[in-house]
Order: sequence, then C-alpha cells, then structure tokens
Amino acid sequence: ELKVEQNPLFLSMQEGKNYTIYCNYSTTSDRLYWYRQDPGKSLESLFVLLSNGAVKQEGRLMASLDTKARLSTLHITAAVHDLSATYFCAVDNSGGSNYKLTFGKGTLLTVNP
Amino acid sequence: EAGVTQFPSHSVIEKGQTVTLRCDPISGHDNLYWYRRVMGKEIKFLLHFVKESKQDESGMPNNRFLAERTGGTYSTLKVQPAELEDSGVYFCASSPQWGANVLTFGAGSRLTVL
Repeated sequence: ELKVEQNPLFLSMQEGKNYTIYCNYSTTSDRLYWYRQDPGKSLESLFVLLSNGAVKQEGRLMASLDTKARLSTLHITAAVHDLSATYFCAVDNSGGSNYKLTFGKGTLLTVNP
Repeated sequence: EAGVTQFPSHSVIEKGQTVTLRCDPISGHDNLYWYRRVMGKEIKFLLHFVKESKQDESGMPNNRFLAERTGGTYSTLKVQPAELEDSGVYFCASSPQWGANVLTFGAGSRLTVL
C-alpha cells in the first residue's frame, strides 16, 4: 500500500526566511502533485512533477522530485504572509491512469510578520 | 470558467439521518472524483466516474455510501444512515478526459454527524 509522509506537519516561520517541506512516498509512482489549500477553500494545484530530477518554480515556491529517493521537496524562499496555507503533496497511485491520488497529511504553514 | 462547485458547504445531522452531497464539475470534464478527509487523517480517494460510469469505487467505506452521476454531469453522494465516523470534509474533483489530468478540486462539503 502506497504511503505518503509529509514533514513537518506544522511550520511557523518568519517573513523573509527560507524553509523546505519534505514529501516521502513508499512505492514508485508516475506523478507527484503539490496542492495548496486556504481555509474553507478548494485545493489549488501548484505543481505537477513528472520525472526524476524535475524542478518547477512559481514565485517564491520551488518543487523538485527525486524518484530514486522517492522524495519531493517544496522550498519556500523569503516567505511572505500570503503564503500561509496548508500544503499537500499527493502521489499518483493509479498506474498511470492519473486519478487515484494518495495524499500526505498536509503541512500547515503560518508565516508571521 | 466556473470551478468545481459543491453543495452544501456544511451539513450538521444526527446519527441515523440521511445526507446528500452534490458536486457540479467543470463543464465538459468527463472525469469526476470523490475524496474524503476525516479529522486528522489524510485526504482519501472514494471513487471515480468517467461520464456516468463508475470506473473505480474501491475507496467507498461501506454500503451506506451511494454515489451517482446520472447523465454524466453533476454527481451526488448519499450517506444513509449516517454514523459518527462519517464526519469529515468530502471533496469533489474533476478533470478532462484527455491530457495532463490535473484534478481540479471543489471547496469541499463539511459533514458533521452528531
């Protein structure tokens, strides 16, 4: 059974600081997703990582994937308050059919002024 | 483009009652999914529709849960009778039939069973 572990689960950081959220998964997978959720809102897709060594960046967020280590990271650069949200990683467990995602528990990020 | 819409946003019912959750996917999306997050746990897959057909319902917890997608448009998820452990947030998502299928999620329906 595929397991996805995120850490940390809670992250409180100051504006301007850098930090990394880690996502480990237990079996091989075709795709890895990062989602963001604001309270009461939908899960917003941030990144889709498709291959070993993939790196994607959007603003202050950068995601990478190491399929050999079964590890993805979400790096936050110079955090700002607007980044406060819950971040989920999810792994495609459908054998390439791309619908049966297995999620981590989520990382609640709070960026303090 | 309208996103995935879910109704109600929050429902509070008593144990033994029935609740029906509704999901309107993005227009033209053939794939529709239901996921659930129970308090403190991961978001878990429930089932997947392709148009009106159930493609995979391996995540449905038990026969108290019934999902339908008549006509291949909106979907309903009925819980009857509801139990305390059914409390959680039920997410619906949709994606196109072809292409890089990033799932677009709705805001979820929070169910509280007392």
